[in-house]
Amino acid sequence: AQKITQTQPGMFVQEKEAVTLDCTYDTSDPSYGLFWYKQPSSGEMIFLIYQGSYDQQNATEGRYSLNFQKARKSANLVISASQLGDSAMYFCAMRGITLGDRSSNTGKLIFGQGTTLQVKP
Amino acid sequence: DTEVTQTPKHLVMGMTNKKSLKCEQHMGHRAMYWYKQKAKKPPELMFVYSYEKLSINESVPSRFSPECPNSSLLNLHLHALQPEDSALYLCASSQASRGSGANVLTFGAGSRLTVL
Repeated sequence: AQKITQTQPGMFVQEKEAVTLDCTYDTSDPSYGLFWYKQPSSGEMIFLIYQGSYDQQNATEGRYSLNFQKARKSANLVISASQLGDSAMYFCAMRGITLGDRSSNTGKLIFGQGTTLQVKP
Repeated sequence: DTEVTQTPKHLVMGMTNKKSLKCEQHMGHRAMYWYKQKAKKPPELMFVYSYEKLSINESVPSRFSPECPNSSLLNLHLHALQPEDSALYLCASSQASRGSGANVLTFGAGSRLTVL
């Protein structure tokens, strides 16, 4: 079974400062992917960053970086230089990666409970 | 603009109505998904189609009926819904290649459903 835990229901950050959103996970899959999505009040889920379980380096995408600590089963999102437009709900998500038949490769993407981030001017 | 288009954006229906939600993508993705999301909660997986075949049904009530007529389209037919089915319904698509790593899901903007 897979489980994603986000322990911070809400976070505040001052504009231009960095913020870390926590995510821990549990899985029995030997290979898996970790994702972060942003959901503004409009509702659309926006993909931010991906980390594969066998990737040696932490993923980075512009102002987003993923602090991946496999032994601790954590995949925290770091947003540098926060902007007002970063105010949104952030979801950590995970899916197992199988090498079986085509249908099992889609896998289930499961989400944590989310963290609401508010950026203050 | 999102690459996954969902229509309608808003839908209000009575419990005896029959309606459909539609989802379209032209990214060549062969996996498509329906998620249900209640306010301030994470999305919950409902259905997964892989190569136009239903591969995952998360024990969804039969009043929700998915359909994948071709590789670009995904429908969700709604019949005899309950007020508790009111939610944001998100469609997503991804590659479905064998042994692939990321297979990032691209989401649409959602259809906000209200059942009276």
